[in-house]
Amino acid sequence: DVKVTQSSRYLVKRTGEKVFLECVQDMDHENMFWYRQDPGLGLRLIYFSYDVKMKEKGDIPEGYSVSREKKERFSLILESASTNQTSMYLCASSFSAPSYEQYFGPGTRLTVT
Amino acid sequence: AQRVTQPEKLLSVFKGAPVELKCNYSYSGSPELFWYVQYSRQRLQLLLRHISRESIKGFTADLNKGETSFHLKKPFAQEEDSAMYYCALSTLGRLYFGRGTQLTVWP
Repeated sequence: DVKVTQSSRYLVKRTGEKVFLECVQDMDHENMFWYRQDPGLGLRLIYFSYDVKMKEKGDIPEGYSVSREKKERFSLILESASTNQTSMYLCASSFSAPSYEQYFGPGTRLTVT
Repeated sequence: AQRVTQPEKLLSVFKGAPVELKCNYSYSGSPELFWYVQYSRQRLQLLLRHISRESIKGFTADLNKGETSFHLKKPFAQEEDSAMYYCALSTLGRLYFGRGTQLTVWP
């Protein structure tokens, strides 16, 4: 059974704080992804990674960075949290081939006050 | 550019009625399309993909390249089908999601 876990289900941070969201997968997947999920906007890709130490910008990378030092772990970093980053953050992973099916974590509900 | 459109934000039907969730896409190549579902307080999960042509939980979806559509259908909706449904297009290892349709099935 594929397992994608995220470090926190709920997180409350103050404006200006540095925030780390952690994601771990146990399926030896090459690809990992960070999305934010907002009502009416669906899922928007922030960053993704095809391999260790590799990263690619998604559609909304501004205000975020990522780190992938190990294959199983992909971290999302908010350098200076702002209120417009209050959202649900979803991590996902997938193999490179033959299927691009993505497996999702439970999500982290981040509130920035 | 790749784009996935789900024109209905909300869809309500009564139990036992047919349901169709619409999805249109734009993509110049040969698309790989998925439907994902998120039940209340659960993680997002794959419902079905067009290449497998299977029926999951009574749902089917047919790829219509002429109309660039991948609508999700079920002949008899059940209350447990109430959920958020996302259509997604896969290309170069990433997914492009539509904005989602919240389906409510009334008893």
